[in-house]
Amino acid sequence: AQTVTQSQPEMSVQEAETVTLSCTYDTSESDYYLFWYKQPPSRQMILVIRQEAYKQQNATENRFSVNFQKAAKSFSLKISDSQLGDAAMYFCAYRSRYGNSGNTPLVFGKGTRLSVIA
Amino acid sequence: EPEVTQTPSHQVTQMGQEVILRCVPISNHLYFYWYRQILGQKVEFLVSFYNNEISEKSEIFDDQFSVERPDGSNFTLKIRSTKLEDSAMYFCASSPQARELSYEQYFGPGTRLTVT
Repeated sequence: AQTVTQSQPEMSVQEAETVTLSCTYDTSESDYYLFWYKQPPSRQMILVIRQEAYKQQNATENRFSVNFQKAAKSFSLKISDSQLGDAAMYFCAYRSRYGNSGNTPLVFGKGTRLSVIA
Repeated sequence: EPEVTQTPSHQVTQMGQEVILRCVPISNHLYFYWYRQILGQKVEFLVSFYNNEISEKSEIFDDQFSVERPDGSNFTLKIRSTKLEDSAMYFCASSPQARELSYEQYFGPGTRLTVT
């Protein structure tokens, strides 16, 4: 079974600075998806960024980018120019590409709580 | 933009009672999921549903749980006899049909279930 590990329970960053959240995963599969979800105090799960394992290029979405190291099974999230609204719980998640046409469940890490200091 | 909706937002029930949590997935989606998040812990998969049957379920999804798509729009999670440890946030999610789009799951806002 796949597992996802987030080794940083809490992180903090000064407003406008850059922060990197770590995530590692364990799998024997070669094709899968990786995600970062943001969960603000409202507890809604919001997709931040996704990465397909077969793509070597790191995904980028505005101020959010990832460093995907497939051999190391590492998938870190970098937030640039941090804003107060970035304060939230961040979950790393894995999803197998195999299964019934995309019906595979997400496997989540325990999350990293990010605080942004004004 | 279409979104997944869930009702109620907060449900309080007594131990041993039955509860039904409701979800309306995005209209053209065909894959549905329930996840659970106990306060302060990670999100855990409960069950996935496709073509009117369960595709996959976790160890958490025991005989106390059931899912149903009673009509063309709703997707429900029933807990027959709630226990204190069922207190959690329950998230519904859905995925679209097209294979190249099927990797993304869209989450609803969650239902907070409190069992007293």
